[in-house]
This record gives sequence, C-alpha cells and structure tokens, in this order.
Amino acid sequence: TAGITQAPTSQILAAGRSMTLRCTQDMRHNAMYWYRQDLGLGLRLIHYSNTAGTTGKGEVPDGYSVSRANTDDFPLTLASAVPSQTSVYFCASSAEPNTEAFFGQGTRLTVV
Amino acid sequence: GQNIDQPTEMTATEGAIVQINCTYQTSGFNGLFWYQQHAGEAPTFLSYNVLDGLEEKGRFSSFLSRSKGYSYLLLKELQMKDSASYLCAVMDSNYQLIWGAGTKLIIKP
Repeated sequence: TAGITQAPTSQILAAGRSMTLRCTQDMRHNAMYWYRQDLGLGLRLIHYSNTAGTTGKGEVPDGYSVSRANTDDFPLTLASAVPSQTSVYFCASSAEPNTEAFFGQGTRLTVV
Repeated sequence: GQNIDQPTEMTATEGAIVQINCTYQTSGFNGLFWYQQHAGEAPTFLSYNVLDGLEEKGRFSSFLSRSKGYSYLLLKELQMKDSASYLCAVMDSNYQLIWGAGTKLIIKP
C-alpha cells in the first residue's frame, strides 16, 4: 500500500508566489497534520485536521492555509511565499489524534 | 511554556547499549512517543508510553516516569543502521504533539 504520499518532493519557489503542497493517504485515517522541520528545531505543527471537514491551527499557522474536503487529501497552501518558509514539510496521518502517526516522505521547499 | 529537552548528539559503539533521555514540561499529558528519523527521510514510529514503566520491543525499550517528567529510549546491541536521529514527542492536554529537537545518534564500528 502507498500509505501517505506527498508531492512535490522538492521545489524552488520565488518569493511572493503561491504554492500548494499535496498530501494524500490511503489508510482511511481520521487525523492529518502538516509539520515543518528546521535544523536544530523540533517538528512544528502548522495545521491539523481531526476529521474530514474540520481543520485547526497549530503552533505556526501564519502564512499557511489548509482544507480537508475528504478523508484522503490534506493540501497545504502558501498564499505568498517568504524566505522564512524555506523548510522541509512533512504531512502525517493517524487513525485518531492520540495514536501513532505515519509520515510522508517530505517536501523540501526553498523560497528565494 | 511547553518544553521537551533531549541531548543534541550522542556517540556509541557498535554492539553496545545507549540510553537517550528526554525530559518534558507540558500542559497536560496524554502519552509520550519516540520516533526514529534517518537523515533525509521521514520519522517512523518506535514506541508509545502512557503509563509509568518500561515497554520493551525487541532491541528497543522505552521508559516513562510521569511524576518526574522523564523518559528514556534504550537501544541494545547497536547496529550501524541505528545511526539516526531519535525524536521524543509528548501529547498534551489538547492531544497535540510537542516535539523535541531530536538526538542525533552516531554509531562507530
């Protein structure tokens, strides 16, 4: 099974441009998450969704938006990218919010 | 504020045992997770503790003391493939995971 898939794997983006990072899971998990991982810092939660149709803000939501129209997909949009959004982005899912999370392979984003 | 502390880097010898510590201060507690992350890859789940005590899973064991806000991950019979970062994460009262910065474990032959 594919598990959880992210696209693209990497991207170089001009500052001020918009971009959507895609995330799809085939495990029928209720909860999904977007994290960013920066050198020397722990994973930081951007947005989450505990079930289809609902979303919530994490620790660092500014500059990002998400939607959860169905169980499988959880796209992350940067409306107007800034260099500080250069990071590795991980999408994850779990059956329930308090269970083991499965991670996608990550998207390495560079904003120049 | 919420805080997870773990050593930045540790070095150990192949075949030996290593203990990676994690201390935490969070608003509420709904369990502690350990994940392994090889360089350039995604984190993968290792263990989950919600009650005090030791959980053993093959070469890896995880311990929790809620009263002390402390956990450790014990890796036995170290192999070169165990070279990775080990991430400690605590689930707070809102069921949000708070992550430590990770401990990079270097295994030497």
